[in-house]
Amino acid sequence: DAKTTQPTSMDCAEGRAANLPCNHSTISGNEYVYWYRQIHSQGPQYIIHGLKNNETNEMASLIITEDRKSSTLILPHATLRDTAVYYCIAQDNNNDMRFGAGTRLTVKP
Amino acid sequence: DTGVSQDPRHKITKRGQNVTFRCDPISEHNRLYWYRQTLGQGPEFLTYFQNEAQLEKSRLLSDRFSAERPKGSFSTLEIQRTEQGDSAMYLCASSFDPGGVGAEAFFGQGTRLTVV
Repeated sequence: DAKTTQPTSMDCAEGRAANLPCNHSTISGNEYVYWYRQIHSQGPQYIIHGLKNNETNEMASLIITEDRKSSTLILPHATLRDTAVYYCIAQDNNNDMRFGAGTRLTVKP
Repeated sequence: DTGVSQDPRHKITKRGQNVTFRCDPISEHNRLYWYRQTLGQGPEFLTYFQNEAQLEKSRLLSDRFSAERPKGSFSTLEIQRTEQGDSAMYLCASSFDPGGVGAEAFFGQGTRLTVV
């Protein structure tokens, strides 16, 4: 699986959009970009995934650059409950999921 | 379906003892993963199964660790001769992989192991 690079931490004001970047410059053509988050003391929770096209669901939007070397997870209206560690993973569906250190997002009132 | 279930939620054991954890995945999920997580770190991959076949094992999985998934349903992770360094949260996840379209994984709440 391709290695991903994320900022260690970010802050966001409540009600504003949170934009979490991820670099995956060595991603291969058959690797998807997955995002998970982990709230303290809980197991990771799936957020969204995509291959080439931008994706949106009820939780977030995923923007993948045309060259697929980076992506951004967007939480459109962050709430205090969105405070968590967010993990970006580049995964081939035939292989395992490998997590990095993630980005610790703190949503502030 | 109540999601991925792990048992026990907490385990305290003395160094040198053997422990076994159980994971019940979501029914019909063909993939099952085990991870270990220590404080402040992301989950570390240990091993995964596709149905009953163990397809990959991390080098983190020493010969004291063994995992099974008989009949492709629940899975067990056993740690023999536990060491204090084994203290961690052990996470299980499952997914249904239809092949080629991406599949989300669902995680259990984990088993927290403390070796004293």
